[in-house]
Amino acid sequence: EVQLVESGGGLVKPGGSLRLSCAASGFTFSSYSMNWVRQAPGKGLEWVSSISSSSSYIYYADSVKGRFTISRDNAKNSLYLQMNSLRAEDTAVYYCAREGIAAAVPFDYWGQGTLVTVSS
Amino acid sequence: DIQMTQSPSTLSASVGDRVTITCRASQSISSWLAWYQQKPGKAPKLLIYKASSLESGVPSRFSGSGSGTEFTLTISSLQPDDFATYYCQQYNGWTFGQGTKVEIK
Repeated sequence: EVQLVESGGGLVKPGGSLRLSCAASGFTFSSYSMNWVRQAPGKGLEWVSSISSSSSYIYYADSVKGRFTISRDNAKNSLYLQMNSLRAEDTAVYYCAREGIAAAVPFDYWGQGTLVTVSS
Repeated sequence: DIQMTQSPSTLSASVGDRVTITCRASQSISSWLAWYQQKPGKAPKLLIYKASSLESGVPSRFSGSGSGTEFTLTISSLQPDDFATYYCQQYNGWTFGQGTKVEIK
C-alpha cells in the first residue's frame, strides 16, 4: 500500500525556518517525481514545488522561489522541503504528493498533510 | 502562467441530481487536465486525469470531458458521499482552479 507521511510542521515566527519531511513507503520511491502542495486555511490548493526522480529537475512556484528548497533522499525514501524566510502567507497545510509514473497521470497519491503556522 | 477558472464556486444539489462543473484555462492545454475531490480535513483524491480518463477505483458516475480551454466534470447521479469540493488542475506548471464546493440543497 502506497503511503506518504508528512512531518515537521508547527508554529514558527515570521522570518524563521522550518524543514518538512515526507516519508514514502509501498512503492519504488526512486522512480517517481514528487511534489509539495499547500492549502491555506479555508482556501484552495496551491502547487509549491516539484522534484524529479533523480533530482535532476526542480521547479518552484514564484511565491516561494528563493526561499524554499525541495530535496529528496532516495536511499531513505524521503522528500524534504526546507522553508526559510517564512511569512504569514506561508501558513497552510503542506501535502506531499506523488506524480504518476505515466506522463498522463498527475498527483495520484497524497499524504495527510502537516500544518505550518507562521505567526508572532 | 496559465490560469484556471472554475464555475460555479458553490453548487447546491440534491441526491440523484446530475451535476456539472466547468473549468476554463487561460490558454490551450490540450487534454492535460485533472480533477480532484477533497473532503474537509482530508487530502485531495484524484478522480479524472488527461481530461477524461477515470482513475482506478473511482465510481463510473464521474466523468470528464473537454479539450483546449474548456473542460467539464460531470457527476451523473449525485450520491451522499459526493458532497465535497472539486478542483481542476492543469499539467503545465500544475496550476489548480479555485475549487467548486458541492453542497446539499
